[in-house]
Amino acid sequence: EAQVTQNPRYLITVTGKKLTVTCSQNMNHEYMSWYRQDPGLGLRQIYYSMNVEVTDKGDVPEGYKVSRKEKRNFPLILESPSPNQTSLYFCASSGRGYRNEQFFGPGTRLTVL
Amino acid sequence: RKEVEQDPGPFNVPEGATVAFNCTYSNSASQSFFWYRQDCRKEPKLLMSVYSSGNEDGRFTAQLNRASQYISLLIRDSKLSDSATYLCVATDSWGKLQFGAGTQVVVTP
Repeated sequence: EAQVTQNPRYLITVTGKKLTVTCSQNMNHEYMSWYRQDPGLGLRQIYYSMNVEVTDKGDVPEGYKVSRKEKRNFPLILESPSPNQTSLYFCASSGRGYRNEQFFGPGTRLTVL
Repeated sequence: RKEVEQDPGPFNVPEGATVAFNCTYSNSASQSFFWYRQDCRKEPKLLMSVYSSGNEDGRFTAQLNRASQYISLLIRDSKLSDSATYLCVATDSWGKLQFGAGTQVVVTP
Protein backbone atom coordinates (compact mmCIF):
# COMPACT_ATOMS: atom_id res chain seq x y z
CA GLU A 1 0.00 0.00 0.00
CA ALA A 2 1.32 3.42 -1.00
CA GLN A 3 1.74 5.47 2.13
CA VAL A 4 3.65 7.95 4.24
CA THR A 5 4.38 6.83 7.78
CA GLN A 6 5.38 8.93 10.75
CA ASN A 7 6.60 7.96 14.19
CA PRO A 8 5.80 8.58 16.90
CA ARG A 9 2.15 9.54 16.47
CA TYR A 10 2.00 11.16 19.92
CA LEU A 11 4.83 12.53 22.02
CA ILE A 12 4.97 14.46 25.27
CA THR A 13 8.43 15.71 26.17
CA VAL A 14 10.17 18.37 28.21
CA THR A 15 11.96 21.50 27.18
CA GLY A 16 15.47 20.89 25.88
CA LYS A 17 15.27 17.14 25.37
CA LYS A 18 16.34 16.35 21.81
CA LEU A 19 13.85 14.38 19.75
CA THR A 20 13.45 13.02 16.24
CA VAL A 21 10.24 12.40 14.35
CA THR A 22 10.71 9.92 11.56
CA CYS A 23 9.00 10.05 8.17
CA SER A 24 9.15 7.40 5.50
CA GLN A 25 7.41 7.02 2.13
CA ASN A 26 7.25 4.00 -0.17
CA MET A 27 6.23 5.76 -3.39
CA ASN A 28 9.72 6.67 -4.62
CA HIS A 29 8.81 10.34 -4.41
CA GLU A 30 11.51 12.95 -4.91
CA TYR A 31 9.82 15.73 -2.99
CA MET A 32 9.27 15.56 0.77
CA SER A 33 8.37 18.21 3.28
CA TRP A 34 7.44 18.88 6.88
CA TYR A 35 4.57 21.04 8.05
CA ARG A 36 3.25 22.14 11.37
CA GLN A 37 -0.41 22.92 11.91
CA ASP A 38 -1.63 25.30 14.58
CA PRO A 39 -5.20 26.53 15.17
CA GLY A 40 -6.06 29.48 12.98
CA LEU A 41 -2.73 29.39 11.15
CA GLY A 42 -3.16 26.45 8.84
CA LEU A 43 -0.31 24.31 7.62
CA ARG A 44 3.06 26.03 7.56
CA GLN A 45 6.05 24.50 5.87
CA ILE A 46 9.10 23.89 8.06
CA TYR A 47 11.58 22.33 5.64
CA TYR A 48 11.42 20.60 2.29
CA SER A 49 13.64 18.40 0.19
CA MET A 50 13.68 18.16 -3.59
CA ASN A 51 15.78 15.00 -3.55
CA VAL A 52 18.49 13.11 -1.65
CA GLU A 53 20.97 15.48 0.03
CA VAL A 54 18.95 18.50 -1.14
CA THR A 55 17.05 20.33 1.59
CA ASP A 56 15.86 23.89 2.04
CA LYS A 57 14.09 26.04 4.57
CA GLY A 58 10.37 26.55 4.45
CA ASP A 59 8.46 29.33 6.15
CA VAL A 60 9.13 28.41 9.79
CA PRO A 61 12.48 26.57 10.01
CA GLU A 62 13.77 28.02 13.30
CA GLY A 63 14.40 25.34 15.91
CA TYR A 64 14.25 22.44 13.46
CA LYS A 65 16.72 20.39 11.45
CA VAL A 66 16.22 17.82 8.73
CA SER A 67 18.31 15.42 6.70
CA ARG A 68 17.70 13.46 3.50
CA LYS A 69 20.28 10.70 3.26
CA GLU A 70 17.92 8.26 1.59
CA LYS A 71 15.11 8.96 -0.83
CA ARG A 72 12.45 7.33 1.33
CA ASN A 73 13.29 8.92 4.70
CA PHE A 74 13.07 12.51 5.87
CA PRO A 75 13.43 12.81 9.66
CA LEU A 76 12.62 16.01 11.55
CA ILE A 77 14.95 16.82 14.41
CA LEU A 78 14.26 19.17 17.31
CA GLU A 79 17.64 19.70 18.98
CA SER A 80 16.25 21.63 21.94
CA PRO A 81 12.47 21.63 21.93
CA SER A 82 10.57 24.53 23.44
CA PRO A 83 6.89 24.90 24.38
CA ASN A 84 6.19 27.00 21.28
CA GLN A 85 6.96 23.91 19.21
CA THR A 86 3.92 22.18 20.64
CA SER A 87 1.94 21.46 17.50
CA LEU A 88 0.58 18.89 15.08
CA TYR A 89 3.25 17.89 12.57
CA PHE A 90 2.70 16.39 9.14
CA CYS A 91 5.19 14.90 6.74
CA ALA A 92 4.26 14.89 3.05
CA SER A 93 5.69 13.59 -0.19
CA SER A 94 4.97 14.01 -3.87
CA GLY A 95 6.46 13.26 -7.23
CA ARG A 96 8.48 15.98 -8.90
CA GLY A 97 6.59 19.10 -9.82
CA TYR A 98 4.03 21.41 -8.30
CA ARG A 99 1.09 19.84 -10.02
CA ASN A 100 1.54 16.60 -8.17
CA GLU A 101 -0.68 15.53 -5.31
CA GLN A 102 0.82 15.79 -1.85
CA PHE A 103 0.50 12.60 0.20
CA PHE A 104 0.48 13.26 3.91
CA GLY A 105 1.47 11.08 6.80
CA PRO A 106 -0.99 10.56 9.67
CA GLY A 107 0.50 13.33 11.79
CA THR A 108 2.51 13.57 15.00
CA ARG A 109 1.00 15.40 17.93
CA LEU A 110 3.85 16.88 19.94
CA THR A 111 3.56 18.50 23.35
CA VAL A 112 6.59 20.20 24.86
CA LEU A 113 6.25 20.97 28.58
CA ARG B 1 -1.01 39.32 5.32
CA LYS B 2 -1.39 35.62 4.72
CA GLU B 3 -0.64 34.28 1.26
CA VAL B 4 -3.87 32.30 1.19
CA GLU B 5 -6.93 33.38 3.14
CA GLN B 6 -10.12 31.51 3.89
CA ASP B 7 -13.28 32.15 5.84
CA PRO B 8 -12.90 29.79 8.81
CA GLY B 9 -16.66 29.17 9.05
CA PRO B 10 -18.27 27.05 10.25
CA PHE B 11 -20.71 26.81 7.39
CA ASN B 12 -23.71 24.97 8.77
CA VAL B 13 -25.48 23.28 5.88
CA PRO B 14 -28.66 21.18 5.89
CA GLU B 15 -28.27 17.80 4.30
CA GLY B 16 -29.08 18.02 0.60
CA ALA B 17 -28.38 21.73 0.33
CA THR B 18 -25.66 23.49 -1.64
CA VAL B 19 -22.76 25.31 -0.01
CA ALA B 20 -20.06 27.42 -1.59
CA PHE B 21 -17.07 29.25 -0.18
CA ASN B 22 -14.05 31.09 -1.49
CA CYS B 23 -10.37 31.33 -0.94
CA THR B 24 -8.24 34.34 -1.92
CA TYR B 25 -4.54 34.25 -2.75
CA SER B 26 -2.11 37.17 -2.76
CA ASN B 27 0.62 35.91 -5.09
CA SER B 28 -0.39 36.72 -8.65
CA ALA B 29 2.32 34.34 -9.89
CA SER B 30 0.64 31.33 -8.30
CA GLN B 31 0.64 28.50 -10.79
CA SER B 32 -1.65 25.81 -9.44
CA PHE B 33 -4.43 25.50 -6.97
CA PHE B 34 -5.92 22.66 -5.00
CA TRP B 35 -8.61 21.87 -2.52
CA TYR B 36 -7.71 19.43 0.24
CA ARG B 37 -10.09 17.92 2.73
CA GLN B 38 -9.12 17.40 6.36
CA ASP B 39 -11.18 15.42 8.86
CA CYS B 40 -10.86 16.25 12.54
CA ARG B 41 -7.08 16.92 12.70
CA LYS B 42 -6.26 13.91 10.56
CA GLU B 43 -4.01 14.19 7.53
CA PRO B 44 -5.21 16.35 4.64
CA LYS B 45 -6.20 14.51 1.50
CA LEU B 46 -6.49 15.87 -2.01
CA LEU B 47 -10.08 16.62 -2.94
CA MET B 48 -9.49 18.15 -6.33
CA SER B 49 -7.08 20.19 -8.36
CA VAL B 50 -8.13 23.48 -9.93
CA TYR B 51 -6.56 24.23 -13.29
CA SER B 52 -7.23 27.07 -15.72
CA SER B 53 -10.90 27.97 -15.51
CA GLY B 54 -11.92 25.31 -13.00
CA ASN B 55 -13.31 21.81 -12.99
CA GLU B 56 -16.05 19.56 -11.70
CA ASP B 57 -15.91 16.21 -9.93
CA GLY B 58 -19.28 14.74 -9.10
CA ARG B 59 -21.00 16.98 -6.57
CA PHE B 60 -17.94 19.22 -6.25
CA THR B 61 -17.14 22.16 -8.49
CA ALA B 62 -14.04 24.31 -8.21
CA GLN B 63 -13.64 27.62 -10.01
CA LEU B 64 -10.61 29.82 -10.49
CA ASN B 65 -10.82 33.57 -11.01
CA ARG B 66 -7.30 34.82 -11.81
CA ALA B 67 -8.39 38.43 -12.29
CA SER B 68 -9.71 38.65 -8.75
CA GLN B 69 -7.28 36.08 -7.38
CA TYR B 70 -9.67 33.68 -5.77
CA ILE B 71 -10.84 30.12 -6.11
CA SER B 72 -14.12 28.72 -4.97
CA LEU B 73 -15.51 25.35 -4.00
CA LEU B 74 -19.16 24.44 -4.39
CA ILE B 75 -20.69 21.31 -2.92
CA ARG B 76 -24.08 20.26 -4.22
CA ASP B 77 -26.50 17.87 -2.51
CA SER B 78 -24.45 17.94 0.69
CA LYS B 79 -24.00 14.66 2.56
CA LEU B 80 -23.32 14.20 6.25
CA SER B 81 -19.97 12.75 5.22
CA ASP B 82 -19.02 16.08 3.63
CA SER B 83 -18.54 17.54 7.12
CA ALA B 84 -14.86 18.42 7.25
CA THR B 85 -12.41 21.27 6.97
CA TYR B 86 -11.54 22.26 3.42
CA LEU B 87 -8.04 23.60 2.84
CA CYS B 88 -7.22 25.83 -0.07
CA VAL B 89 -3.70 25.52 -1.49
CA ALA B 90 -1.81 27.68 -3.96
CA THR B 91 1.60 26.88 -5.41
CA ASP B 92 4.20 29.14 -6.90
CA SER B 93 6.34 28.34 -9.91
CA TRP B 94 8.87 26.59 -7.66
CA GLY B 95 6.29 24.21 -6.33
CA LYS B 96 6.14 25.76 -2.90
CA LEU B 97 2.74 25.23 -1.35
CA GLN B 98 0.85 27.83 0.62
CA PHE B 99 -2.05 26.51 2.65
CA GLY B 100 -5.03 28.43 3.87
CA ALA B 101 -6.16 27.90 7.44
CA GLY B 102 -9.25 26.03 6.25
CA THR B 103 -13.01 26.43 6.06
CA GLN B 104 -15.08 24.23 8.32
CA VAL B 105 -18.26 22.75 6.87
CA VAL B 106 -20.84 21.08 9.10
CA VAL B 107 -23.65 19.22 7.36
CA THR B 108 -26.66 18.67 9.60
CA PRO B 109 -29.48 16.11 9.24
